[in-house]
Amino acid sequence: QSVLTQPPSASGTPGQRVTISCSGSSSNIGSNYVYWYQQLPGTAPKFLLYRNNQRPSGVPDRFSGSKSGTSASLAISGLRSEDEADYYCAAWDDSLSGLLFGGGTKVTVL
Amino acid sequence: QVQLVESGGGVVQPGRSLRLSCAASGFPFSGYGMHWVRQAPGKGLEWVAVISYDGDTKYYTASVKGRFTISRDNSKNTLYLQMNSLSAEDTAVYHCAKGHSGWRNGVDYWGQGTLVTVSS
Repeated sequence: QSVLTQPPSASGTPGQRVTISCSGSSSNIGSNYVYWYQQLPGTAPKFLLYRNNQRPSGVPDRFSGSKSGTSASLAISGLRSEDEADYYCAAWDDSLSGLLFGGGTKVTVL
Repeated sequence: QVQLVESGGGVVQPGRSLRLSCAASGFPFSGYGMHWVRQAPGKGLEWVAVISYDGDTKYYTASVKGRFTISRDNSKNTLYLQMNSLSAEDTAVYHCAKGHSGWRNGVDYWGQGTLVTVSS
């Protein structure tokens, strides 16, 4: 059971906006940066967002992030078929002295 | 460009040991913390361990403490994971990952992973 809680699935039609939540606690999201990763089927995870809402070079601005208190969210606007993947949030946990991952959210493009 | 290439995976019997390696290139290896993250078949990502840039600080997830040891050789740009007393629950793809900008942060670059199967 992950300490960071994500919905197991989300879906939308092409062009729609999809939002994925990530809920934690004061020892992780509440006091550290949130990271997001995209994992396409059969591949290694890809660095998607860092420091809550920053995009590495090459990541489209359709992907955005936000954080408030002990929760964070990832939004995908203008949904495309190639966005169909698993998405994971992560944050360092000061109590556990370790990196925590959410359970992952599978995004389906209908 | 950053490259992380894992090796050392395979099929191992319960209770036996295995050592994974991760060869790093394309960045100043000795300047970054490094992590191991695993993914059991059909499951999500699970963080395993982290080591500081100089090797002095190491942290582990509870389920591997006392059994796994993370280490690094900065002269060889290589990260290691020594895994002892393996059980079926350790079956997973093991990825090494580069720490992103300092301590208490996530990771940025990932290797493709090496599969460890614990089975009799």
